[in-house]
Amino acid sequence: RKEVEQDPGPFNVPEGATVAFNCTYSNSASQSFFWYRQDCRKEPKLLMSVYSSGNEDGRFTAQLNRASQYISLLIRDSKLSDSATYLCVVNPEGSTLGRLYFGRGTQLTVWP
Amino acid sequence: DAGVIQSPRHEVTEMGQEVTLRCKPISGHDYLFWYRQTMMRGLELLIYFNNNVPIDDSGMPEDRFSAKMPNASFSTLKIQPSEPRDSAVYFCASSLAWLAANTGELFFGEGSRLTVL
Repeated sequence: RKEVEQDPGPFNVPEGATVAFNCTYSNSASQSFFWYRQDCRKEPKLLMSVYSSGNEDGRFTAQLNRASQYISLLIRDSKLSDSATYLCVVNPEGSTLGRLYFGRGTQLTVWP
Repeated sequence: DAGVIQSPRHEVTEMGQEVTLRCKPISGHDYLFWYRQTMMRGLELLIYFNNNVPIDDSGMPEDRFSAKMPNASFSTLKIQPSEPRDSAVYFCASSLAWLAANTGELFFGEGSRLTVL
């Protein structure tokens, strides 16, 4: 079983739509969680961290459900520029840096 | 500030040839990672270094792969001999330990796209 599993999509939504991605992780002791964004043929870049209580950054909301071991990312009022692949990332070692596990990514296309 | 610099950006080679990928991390960063990305397997960690010392190379596929970090500003990933299944985008990333652990932020280079014919 992979450390991090994501629905690869693709998700195709119109501008202004709300879209949500989920990701599950296998190590119940995992401590830190993040979402990355990767544009086509570009490198991944950090989008936001995921905190236990949930957190927002503008139109983006990240949530963590430890009991079910899943992480979600909600994008409200989708923009064309949100089209990208979203990668779920888990750091099982928490406060120390070690191996970061990346999901395969969920592809989002926002159309006009 | 310069980001992580990788070379070459693209490489096409024939099966059996040696391939060397290069990476210059961001100055001052103490962690360096080599990742490989394919459609089938996504982003896989191959090896990472802390203060130039290899910490975990369990992701290196086999003995044909080797990585070195002779100093804080340079690392190489070598494949010898190369095979068609090695075709992928190879990313180098760097970070500071405390930064990455708390914010999850790795700084990736633009990648080296390798095609082995």
